[in-house]
Amino acid sequence: EVQLVESGGGLVQPGGSLRLSCAASGFTFSSYWMHWVRQAPGKGLVWVSRINSDGSSTSYADSVKGRFTISRDNAKNTLYLQMNSLRAEDTAVYYCARDGPVEDLDYWGQGTLVTVSS
Amino acid sequence: DIQMTQSPSSLSASVGDRVTITCRASQSISSYLNWYQQKPGKAPKLLIYAASSLQSGVPSRFSGSGSGTDFTLTISSLQPEDFATYYCQQSYSTPVTFGQGTRLEIK
Repeated sequence: EVQLVESGGGLVQPGGSLRLSCAASGFTFSSYWMHWVRQAPGKGLVWVSRINSDGSSTSYADSVKGRFTISRDNAKNTLYLQMNSLRAEDTAVYYCARDGPVEDLDYWGQGTLVTVSS
Repeated sequence: DIQMTQSPSSLSASVGDRVTITCRASQSISSYLNWYQQKPGKAPKLLIYAASSLQSGVPSRFSGSGSGTDFTLTISSLQPEDFATYYCQQSYSTPVTFGQGTRLEIK
């Protein structure tokens, strides 16, 4: 059974940093591209970032470019999102998701809440 | 970036109704269109990928169609568990973008 479990969310002050993790199991993690998607309270889904299977290629939404870094450790079956210079507008539930055959997001974690507030 | 526009934004329907949700892309995306269902407090769930392919385990009352810029998600006979928010998503180009969502409510 495919499982994705996010962790690392919490309350952080504006300008602060946080690192999210996504532990994967039930599939060959090193064969799949992975994504982060976020959802602000009461709002819609917004794509954040993507990484290819070996970690050599990444993409970011303009809103997080230069502040967030996606990475992965295939030996640990874990995806990461390092978030720096956090702003109030980064407050959201952050989901990790697996990339499917046509860049559909075929499995999602349960999400982890990041709150940026003083 | 490719803009995705869903209509309607919200919809009231009854159990047993046939429901159609529309998604329009700001430029042609071929068949790179996916549909998700999200229930309150839960992660999104993939329903349809590549415009018309049913994800494994998804009931056959869900179907998708379209290509180019115009797409539809149809639920042939609404069940109580189908009341949720639905999102379309284009995977034609980076950045991946989602529609604003359609909230399906019980009439």
